Amino acid sequence: DVKVTQSSRYLVKRTGEKVFLECVQDMDHENMFWYRQDPGLGLRLIYFSYDVKMKEKGDIPEGYSVSREKKERFSLILESASTNQTSMYLCASSFGGANTGELFFGEGSRLTVL
Amino acid sequence: AQKVTQAQTEISVVEKEDVTLDCVYETRDTTYYLFWYKQPPSGELVFLIRRNSFDEQNEISGRYSWNFQKSTSSFNFTITASQVVDSAVYFCALSEASGGGSQGNLIFGKGTKLSVKP
Repeated sequence: DVKVTQSSRYLVKRTGEKVFLECVQDMDHENMFWYRQDPGLGLRLIYFSYDVKMKEKGDIPEGYSVSREKKERFSLILESASTNQTSMYLCASSFGGANTGELFFGEGSRLTVL
Repeated sequence: AQKVTQAQTEISVVEKEDVTLDCVYETRDTTYYLFWYKQPPSGELVFLIRRNSFDEQNEISGRYSWNFQKSTSSFNFTITASQVVDSAVYFCALSEASGGGSQGNLIFGKGTKLSVKP
């Protein structure tokens, strides 16, 4: 069974803390994505990666960075968490090349920044 | 610019009713893909269907059906004889094949929350 696994379902952090959200996929997918989901705003793309060590900014990259050192792992980093980054974070992966395929999603990580 | 609009924020129906979720998209590309995803209360988005821009045939899968009309830039989703297990947030999404560095990126609508009551 294909799987995208996010390291934490729920996190509570304080303003200014550094936060790591980890995502691992076992499907040998080239593409990996980080979205955030907020009520009334739907899913918005933060960053994506189409290869190891490659990254591209999405629609809302400010305040975030990413790391992809291995094909199966894509990390989202909040260098200094702020309250407006309280959200649900969704990781996804897909096969590479022109997008004809579906995204496989993890269960999400709900981050609360106090 | 590409955009996906789901005008219905929330819909509530009684079990066994039919329900249609609307999706309108905007794109300048001639080659693109449309998707529907389901997000149950557990949180994980589940792929339902992909349709490419050259295939306007309607599709039926059990109680689910999809109506793709390029003339109105719509890709509507109908659930026939709804069930409580259909309660979820449903997202329509668009991907452009010529996205260059954005290959693989989906643009999502804001979602429609469907509640099916027994």
